[in-house]
Amino acid sequence: QVTLKESGPGMLQPSKTLSLTCSFSGFSLSTSGMVVSWIRQPSGKSLEWLAAIDWDGDKYYNPSLKSRLTVSKDTSNTQVFLKITSVDIADTATYYCARRPWSGSPFDYWGQGVMVTVSS
Amino acid sequence: DIQMTQSPASLSASLGETVSIECLASEDIYSNLAWYQQKPGKSPQLLIYYASSLQDGVPSRFSGSESGTQYSLEINSLQPEDEGDYFCQQSYKFPYTFGAGTKLELK
Repeated sequence: QVTLKESGPGMLQPSKTLSLTCSFSGFSLSTSGMVVSWIRQPSGKSLEWLAAIDWDGDKYYNPSLKSRLTVSKDTSNTQVFLKITSVDIADTATYYCARRPWSGSPFDYWGQGVMVTVSS
Repeated sequence: DIQMTQSPASLSASLGETVSIECLASEDIYSNLAWYQQKPGKSPQLLIYYASSLQDGVPSRFSGSESGTQYSLEINSLQPEDEGDYFCQQSYKFPYTFGAGTKLELK
């Protein structure tokens, strides 16, 4: 059974660094082609792909946010992390992690999402 | 980046009707197009992948098609549970991009 679950601070102040964790089970990130991505969605708006890390440890970023994003994974390949530096109000959103099982495939499993509010 | 232009932004239809949602890709994405349904407060759920392949467990009243860089999601015989938001997404190359979404309401 594939599951993903995001965790984060809930609320943080502008200019701080947002740290998010995606804990997953039921699949292996070391499987060739596997990718875990981060996607966010401001309330009432569409989805924005942020970053991804693949089975080989390669990292991919949305160019519009690349300078502020860092994606990583733990050595046991059961967690993926995302850091966003210098947050502001525009980073208020629900953050999802999702699995992409092979190149070109869609996101077939998503976490429940974690709401993050940036406010002073 | 590949732009995904989705239309309409919203639509209202009656039970049993057939509706269609479109997504136009700014360049060829070679059928690497997925459709998701999202209910309020929930994460997106995969409906269609590779433009026309039905995800396991998704009712057969959902179907996808393509014509060049234009992709369509059709929902036949609308049911109450079909209300929600629908998004397209290109999975051809990074950065992955989504359409702006379509809000489907039942009259």
